[in-house]
Amino acid sequence: GENVGLHLPTLSVQEGDNSIINCAYSNSASDYFIWYKQESGKGPQFIIDIRSNMDKRQGQRVTVLLNKTVKHLSLQIAATQPGDSAVYFCAELVGMFSGGYNKLIFGAGTRLAVHP
Amino acid sequence: SAVISQKPSRDICQRGTSLTIQCQVDSQVTMMFWYRQQPGQSLTLIATANQGSEATYESGFVIDKFPISRPNLTFSTLTVSNMSPEDSSIYLCSVSQGRDYEQYFGPGTRLTVT
Repeated sequence: GENVGLHLPTLSVQEGDNSIINCAYSNSASDYFIWYKQESGKGPQFIIDIRSNMDKRQGQRVTVLLNKTVKHLSLQIAATQPGDSAVYFCAELVGMFSGGYNKLIFGAGTRLAVHP
Repeated sequence: SAVISQKPSRDICQRGTSLTIQCQVDSQVTMMFWYRQQPGQSLTLIATANQGSEATYESGFVIDKFPISRPNLTFSTLTVSNMSPEDSSIYLCSVSQGRDYEQYFGPGTRLTVT
């Protein structure tokens, strides 16, 4: 398979446990953040997003926490399943175009390995 | 969400040659982006493909090396020119629609240069 995540830090968890993946971002002016999941051989898939005027947002089995004071973002996955095994990237949206369109700056990524 | 396809899915090329990667979307989109993902690394934006105008390149990427076309609102190509082994990467196309900040990614093209 593809070697996405081969050299990235790895978080190993047992099936059924909760997972917490952390990310530090760089631009204090960023006001929109996204978590992506990338499975082997595939492109990144949108998981959940959060705007800077929020500190927490919940989805199905996932929660994103934002701490603007220390420029830190985390993704919590409840009751982790084998299908959650993938590389996870945070991304911050940085304004670029006068028309209101922006570009994404991706973090380094974390490989999540779920063991039965 | 948009459905995005890329061709080829993978290729092995000799150094000094060029490869053109195609990105096709099933609906009209405003913005198309090209990323590079080197082995075991994160994604780096190469350029934004603008319909009807030249692409906007990020620092460290130049048009002579990575020419981009965007002939319409559903299609774009990225060419990797005069390839060297350092160009071995996954190249990903993504799209966004209007002010929808979500970007949807294609499956990627895995390029190996020997």
